Amino acid sequence: GAGVSQSPSNKVTEKGKDVELRCDPISGHTALYWYRQSLGQGLEFLIYFQGNSAPDKSGLPSDRFSAERTGGSVSTLTIQRTQQEDSAVYLCASSFNGGGVETQYFGPGTRLLVL
Amino acid sequence: DAKTTQPPSMDCAEGRAANLPCNHSTISGNEYVYWYRQIHSQGPQYIIHGLKNNETNEMASLIITEDRKSSTLILPHATLRDTAVYYCIVRVGTGGFKTIFGAGTRLFVKA
Repeated sequence: GAGVSQSPSNKVTEKGKDVELRCDPISGHTALYWYRQSLGQGLEFLIYFQGNSAPDKSGLPSDRFSAERTGGSVSTLTIQRTQQEDSAVYLCASSFNGGGVETQYFGPGTRLLVL
Repeated sequence: DAKTTQPPSMDCAEGRAANLPCNHSTISGNEYVYWYRQIHSQGPQYIIHGLKNNETNEMASLIITEDRKSSTLILPHATLRDTAVYYCIVRVGTGGFKTIFGAGTRLFVKA
């Protein structure tokens, strides 16, 4: 079946602009995660959704970052007033969190470059 | 911080078994060991997970020590396409807890 998809695959923006990144999870997956990976670095957790609510936002680096999820499906990560240090690959993962052992499946990521 | 320790890099000859070690001495009783890998420019790919018994699937085998303080991921016949960064992660199996990724092991499979 279809995996996690993310759009756009690449985004180049100018410093100070706002960007929106989209994640389409696997159908039926109840949990959704956003991570960030800077060049040559490991994955950094940003936020987790269970349904439409976000029990854990602890990884969002500043108030310029926000995310929402609607209909228990699609999620959008918004970065306002982008800075050059926001340049990274933004990864989304989804999982079924309704009992049993949870396994996260990742999308291909959105590569963000802030000039 | 990640609760696991892995060597930063390893080499393996094509066709041979690749054995990737992971230490997780502070693992809790309800935490599973998961392995993911990330091939260059792609999202992480799930490989296998286990609690205390050894596990095998079509991709790999996972050997967990009896005290659960360490584990080994085994790729039985490594190919060039297995060159990737391999992440060992411990986390609870349910409940939607965030996954903490460490630096992983960069595996180079050589012809």
